[in-house]
Amino acid sequence: QVQLQESGPGLVKPSQTLSLTCTVSGGSISSGSYYWSWIRQPAGKGLEWIGRIYTSGSTNYNPSLKSRVTISVDTSKNQFSLKLSSVTAADTAVYYCVGSTSINYFDYWGQGTLVTVSS
Amino acid sequence: SYELTQPPSVSVSPGQTARITCSGDALPKQYAYWYQQKPGQAPVLVIYKDSERPSGIPERFSGSSSGTTVTLTISGVQAEDEADYYCQSADSSGTWVVFGGGTKLTVL
Repeated sequence: QVQLQESGPGLVKPSQTLSLTCTVSGGSISSGSYYWSWIRQPAGKGLEWIGRIYTSGSTNYNPSLKSRVTISVDTSKNQFSLKLSSVTAADTAVYYCVGSTSINYFDYWGQGTLVTVSS
Repeated sequence: SYELTQPPSVSVSPGQTARITCSGDALPKQYAYWYQQKPGQAPVLVIYKDSERPSGIPERFSGSSSGTTVTLTISGVQAEDEADYYCQSADSSGTWVVFGGGTKLTVL
């Protein structure tokens, strides 16, 4: 069974770039059987899809974040990453990396990591 | 932008049936998925493709679809079912993922 673990700074300054990495175990990130996504959740609020990356390397991003988001894959490390630029306090949230056996839903979730944007 | 609408809260007594709705214009074209999230935990998929139940999910969880509304039904609600529930689908093109705002299920 696939397991995912987020890592990265828990505190980012406004206007800087948020960078997170997700390490995948129990399966190959380059397997065509999975899709890889990032989802976030501000405290006390709902889930927001950030984007996904296919094993081909192509991506889909939430239109509301597209100008600031980059998702990439490092197959040599079995990891995928999120970069979100020009962050503000509104980007403070728990960030989840997620693996999916279908393009349509999300079945393997990391535990989530809290990222706070503050000076 | 496309939105899915859920009631903010639903309350039921133990043993009763809870129904949580989710409305969206593209739901006749796109499947819906439901997630359960307990405090401090990641969401768990409980229903996929409107009405299918993943392995390990209790039979009391079921889903249905009618036009622009999908419904998650929990029969014989137990205290452990108290959680936030989110519907999820896609826009009409199937490219962008959308979540509903979430419904807090309270077991009285």
